[in-house]
Amino acid sequence: GAGVSQSPSNKVTEKGKDVELRCDPISGHTALYWYRQSLGQGLEFLIYFQGNSAPDKSGLPSDRFSAERTGGSVSTLTIQRTQQEDSAVYLCASSLAGGISGANVLTFGAGSRLTVL
Amino acid sequence: GENVEQHPSTLSVQEGDSAVIKCTYSDSASNYFPWYKQELGKGPQLIIDIRSNVGEKKDQRIAVTLNKTAKHFSLHITETQPEDSAVYFCAASKPTGNQFYFGTGTSLTVIP
Repeated sequence: GAGVSQSPSNKVTEKGKDVELRCDPISGHTALYWYRQSLGQGLEFLIYFQGNSAPDKSGLPSDRFSAERTGGSVSTLTIQRTQQEDSAVYLCASSLAGGISGANVLTFGAGSRLTVL
Repeated sequence: GENVEQHPSTLSVQEGDSAVIKCTYSDSASNYFPWYKQELGKGPQLIIDIRSNVGEKKDQRIAVTLNKTAKHFSLHITETQPEDSAVYFCAASKPTGNQFYFGTGTSLTVIP
């Protein structure tokens, strides 16, 4: 597509429920990142996918968080047993390649705002 | 790892004045420094970037300067306009690995 697409744009859920957030990166982009942005805060790295390599999960805050990327394209971030502190905007970004090269410019989606009541 | 600090956290300027946002980084191996603008309800958008082989880059009213010795880089916006009001993030990245290290953001308000 023309840009990085995320859905849903807004999600309100009850504490304890599971949620799935979807990211559709720019076609041809092999690198995909998930970030979390809490209110008024910076961008917190969660997970990174590059091609068929094992993902870098070093930023996931707990084992309630997981992500997968099917077919090297669409990615789903899953949060199990949501807590109120999970409330944030979850941003997805993609780039042509990971690491430093001429092609590592990140393009972000508009984000999915999650509110846990 | 890498630690990126950004100042100020908030900045108000009169329309037409200049705005400067500064970032410092800790890892001398970092060699790519993008700046992102985030408007309300939207994702961050790249506005300008600089690599460590140059000291300055300009694009119309915005410019970025890099001092590798001091490990700091700055965003300069001249002739500010109300539409420049947004949150600006700096970031640093290294040639190995795949992480971007972001600053905590600067909320810029341009007063008409």
